[in-house]
Amino acid sequence: ETGVTQSPTHLIKTRGQQVTLRCSSQSGHNTVSWYQQALGQGPQFIFQYYREEENGRGNFPPRFSGLQFPNYSSELNVNALELDDSALYLCASSLGTGAGELFFGEGSRLTVL
Amino acid sequence: GQNIDQPTEMTATEGAIVQINCTYQTSGFNGLFWYQQHAGEAPTFLSYNVLDGLEEKGRFSSFLSRSKGYSYLLLKELQMKDSASYLCAVRSAGNNRKLIWGLGTSLAVNP
Repeated sequence: ETGVTQSPTHLIKTRGQQVTLRCSSQSGHNTVSWYQQALGQGPQFIFQYYREEENGRGNFPPRFSGLQFPNYSSELNVNALELDDSALYLCASSLGTGAGELFFGEGSRLTVL
Repeated sequence: GQNIDQPTEMTATEGAIVQINCTYQTSGFNGLFWYQQHAGEAPTFLSYNVLDGLEEKGRFSSFLSRSKGYSYLLLKELQMKDSASYLCAVRSAGNNRKLIWGLGTSLAVNP
């Protein structure tokens, strides 16, 4: 157990809809990063939040947005869902920036029909 | 560009030793990670190398050569439960934790 929890674990949406995924970081961790992992692929970095501010972003369009709250939990929002957004969305928490491992949640599996 | 290469699939026998290689080309280097991922589950941390050399942790060891852009993960005394995908990830330079991931090596351990 990593102490990182994500919700929901599974969900199904239709094209054009919007989705919000949630992540509670490990106690004491102030950094949360989000990854998209398509089937058979490695995770792709979406963005990272440190102390409630975005401080890094991968090659994802603006319809992928996020938020980090004062308790360091985080949300990932995806608007105008497309079929290719179907993937496992992973949240990882860590303490500060720099060296050290990431602790992953179990992920939210999104299917877009 | 940034690129991480590792074999797609490997097969080994229970009790044996297997070495999974990873080569990388990234803009800056701030550490290399190995993660294990079972199907349908989140990745779990195995090792972290930032200096050249071998890091040993029980049955698992990881090696890094920064000058060669090369790492390997060594698994000894293989067990059936080691059947999983093994992901190599490099943290790029800079203050954020952006990891660049390989596609993973799917290891099948046979009896």
